[in-house]
Amino acid sequence: AQSVTQLDSHVSVSEGTPVLLRCNYSSSYSPSLFWYVQHPNKGLQLLLKYTSAATLVKGINGFEAEFKKSETSFHLTKPSAHMSDAAEYFCVRYSGGGADGLTFGKGTHLIIQP
Amino acid sequence: NAGVTQTPKFQVLKTGQSMTLQCAQDMNHNSMYWYRQDPGMGLRLIYYSASEGTTDKGEVPNGYNVSRLNKREFSLRLESAAPSQTSVYFCASRDGLAGVTDTQYFGPGTRLTVL
Repeated sequence: AQSVTQLDSHVSVSEGTPVLLRCNYSSSYSPSLFWYVQHPNKGLQLLLKYTSAATLVKGINGFEAEFKKSETSFHLTKPSAHMSDAAEYFCVRYSGGGADGLTFGKGTHLIIQP
Repeated sequence: NAGVTQTPKFQVLKTGQSMTLQCAQDMNHNSMYWYRQDPGMGLRLIYYSASEGTTDKGEVPNGYNVSRLNKREFSLRLESAAPSQTSVYFCASRDGLAGVTDTQYFGPGTRLTVL
């Protein structure tokens, strides 16, 4: 099965500073990649998805991600963090290999300092 | 339009008890999924149903059974609960027509504790 690796389990930034959450994926000729966000005690909400139409993907709440095939990366960024961005973020891909369903990274906990 | 709904929200069981987690979606989606979430593990797929009448095992199916009752409903059953099944369970659905670019929509989760 295909995999994703989130490089940081925790990221802490100050409010108003840029956010970078890193994700690498195992190589595939055509990955479908997603970022989901989970606020405390809530379900998961889709932030954005890459479907090979454009390498820079814009999502909700000012987030965007860039697909870089040469680096097998799909990092999530936001220019200016807000307190409401504090949450768990998951990099996700379809499992592939004939199995339906998603494969999740282990998550990055984003902490916003006032 | 409620999206994906799950019942119950919370449940405490004793080891060996059985229970069924219910999931329903009102988006006319073809595919439905059950995941479990454990600390530091992300979400892992338990079972899925690509269409009404079909079910398949995911990454961690042991100790669980599922039923795709109709297009709307997909239930997860624990026949004899074990402490290792303490987790948060999420149901999800997707249209299934656009292949791997489909978005999966998640329910709010069921928090299960097995004592």
